[in-house]
Amino acid sequence: GAVVSQHPSRVICKSGTSVKIECRSLDFQATTMFWYRQFPKQSLMLMATSNEGSKATYEQGVEKDKFLINHASLTLSTLTVTSAHPEDSSFYICSARRLMTGGGTDTQYFGPGTRLTVL
Amino acid sequence: AQKITQTQPGMFVQEKEAVTLDCTYDTSDPSYGLFWYKQPSSGEMIFLIYQGSYDQQNATEGRYSLNFQKARKSANLVISASQLGDSAMYFCAMRFTSGSGYSTLTFGKGTMLLVSP
Repeated sequence: GAVVSQHPSRVICKSGTSVKIECRSLDFQATTMFWYRQFPKQSLMLMATSNEGSKATYEQGVEKDKFLINHASLTLSTLTVTSAHPEDSSFYICSARRLMTGGGTDTQYFGPGTRLTVL
Repeated sequence: AQKITQTQPGMFVQEKEAVTLDCTYDTSDPSYGLFWYKQPSSGEMIFLIYQGSYDQQNATEGRYSLNFQKARKSANLVISASQLGDSAMYFCAMRFTSGSGYSTLTFGKGTMLLVSP
């Protein structure tokens, strides 16, 4: 099946630093990728939609200056958490959209997630 | 507004038995897609099965089948012959077109399935 990688899988950083998370689609091109955030024992919440070659679309309540998204190629999207604070500690998951076999519809394949801890 | 409801926070099943995980949805869009994902303790979201709103037949993928009842707006996941490795969190999700024009997913709160020997 489709494979999406995410790097790093875990990161611990000091408050005030910036952290970059990479999301790659390994065996298909993805014009659209998504970034989600998941708190412990809760569901995934969509943060933003990342489109190759254009600005990301952020969901309501998500600070675009804090969570910078760059979709520079058809296989790579990055999320940078700027000036991270302890409340940014969470599990961040990316997904890449791919047309399903036979066309006409699509599904999202998820990366393994990145656990961010801000001290 | 689109909404996904999973009313079972947790389910227990014995190995080799079948289990049904409930999912109901609400949308005014005539065209939508329903998905089930599995999230083991490692955190990765694993795609299991998909049902389109216009599909006439219930989707099946190996031991997974989706009991799609459109009039009731339900899309329950049935896992036959449960295995210990099926223990995980299961999320039902619906694809819809957001206000920005992009196709995106909204997730239910999830059901934790525990399979016992």
